Amino acid sequence: ELKVEQNPLFLSMQEGKNYTIYCNYSTTSDRLYWYRQDPGKSLESLFVLLSNGAVKQEGRLMASLDTKARLSTLHITAAVHDLSATYFCAVFQPNDMRFGAGTRLTVKP
Amino acid sequence: DAGITQSPRHKVTETGTPVTLRCHQTENHRYMYWYRQDPGHGLRLIHYSYGVKDTDKGEVSDGYSVSRSKTEDFLLTLESATSSQTSVYFCAIRPTGLNYGYTFGSGTRLTVV
Repeated sequence: ELKVEQNPLFLSMQEGKNYTIYCNYSTTSDRLYWYRQDPGKSLESLFVLLSNGAVKQEGRLMASLDTKARLSTLHITAAVHDLSATYFCAVFQPNDMRFGAGTRLTVKP
Repeated sequence: DAGITQSPRHKVTETGTPVTLRCHQTENHRYMYWYRQDPGHGLRLIHYSYGVKDTDKGEVSDGYSVSRSKTEDFLLTLESATSSQTSVYFCAIRPTGLNYGYTFGSGTRLTVV
C-alpha cells in the first residue's frame, strides 16, 4: 500500500528565510503533485512533476522530484507572508491520488 | 472552481439520517472523485467514478455509496450518518492531459450531531 509522508507537519518561518518541505512515498509512481490550501478554502494545484529529475518553479516556490529516492521537495525561497498556507504533496496511482498529511506553513514578519 | 460545484456548502445532520452530497461539473470529464479531509490525514479517497454508472471504492468507503447517472453529476450518500463522518468533503475531477493537477470543488462541511 502506498504511503506518503510529509515533513515537517508544521513550519513557522520568518520572512526572507529559505526552507524545504519533504515528501517521501513508499512505492513507484510516475506522477507527483503539489497543492496549496488556504484556511477554509479548496485545494489549488501548484505543480505536476512527471519524471525523474523534474524541476518546476513558480515565483518563490520550486518543486523537484527524485523517483529513485521516492522523494519530492518543495523549496521556499525568501518567504513572504502570502505564502502562509497548508501545502500537500500527492502521489498518483491508478484511480487514486494519495495525499500526504500536509505541511502548515506560517510566515511571520 | 468555475467548472465544478458542490452542494450544499454546509450541512448539519443528526446521527442515523441519510445524507446526500452533490458534485456537478460542466467540463465533461470522465473521472470524478470524492475525498474527505480530516486533520492529520490529508485527503482520503472515498469513491471514484470513471464514467456513467462506473464507480469503485477508495481507501475509506465504508458507510458511503455513490451514484453517477449523468457525466456531469456525482452523488455521495452517507447511508446512516455517524459522528465519525463529520468532515469536510471535496469533490475533484481529473482533467485531460498529464500536466494538470486535479481540480477540486469548494468543499462541503458536514457535521453529524
